[in-house]
Amino acid sequence: DAMVIQNPRYQVTQFGKPVTLSCSQTLNHNVMYWYQQKSSQAPKLLFHYYDKDFNNEADTPDNFQSRRPNTSFCFLDIRSPGLGDAAMYLCATSVEGAANEKLFFGSGTQLSVL
Amino acid sequence: RKEVEQDPGPFNVPEGATVAFNCTYSNSASQSFFWYRQDCRKEPKLLMSVYSSGNEDGRFTAQLNRASQYISLLIRDSKLSDSATYLCAVNGGNAGNMLTFGGGTRLMVKP
Repeated sequence: DAMVIQNPRYQVTQFGKPVTLSCSQTLNHNVMYWYQQKSSQAPKLLFHYYDKDFNNEADTPDNFQSRRPNTSFCFLDIRSPGLGDAAMYLCATSVEGAANEKLFFGSGTQLSVL
Repeated sequence: RKEVEQDPGPFNVPEGATVAFNCTYSNSASQSFFWYRQDCRKEPKLLMSVYSSGNEDGRFTAQLNRASQYISLLIRDSKLSDSATYLCAVNGGNAGNMLTFGGGTRLMVKP
């Protein structure tokens, strides 16, 4: 049973056309994360929510925004995708964000920008 | 210097071989360490946590060397199904407790 669900699995968008990626969880975890992973690179944290508190990483471009309307859902909005934004976007959750907690990942959304 | 560094590989090994990967980290205040496995175009999946005293799970052994700031993963009796990318992840040691991932080491086990 999927616990962290990302839709769609593959997303194609045009250069400059806004796109939204979605993530939902059935775990009732407090913390939700968005990671960007480019080919053969490390997953890079974009931002995370602790409950409704939004935390942006210092080097996350302004082009990336996020919404968490309730515990279960989190969205990643890319306002004007560029070619360099093509990547796998991974949503993850953890119970409370403690140092020793594991992350539960969704299956990711592979974004292509044409 | 990157916060978390790994040799990207690939490590090409025959079935049955023993292979080891290292991962170095820069923040001496880091508290938690993990190894994740990632198959091609899939999400990372937790392989094992790394404890101070070292820990073993079947054919996999993880160790932590705080003095030299690295963690290691040893895989014994490699199987074809072990072929994947192995990512290390380190807790940043900051108040946010965010995990920082290495770029991964690719392992290819051949018949």
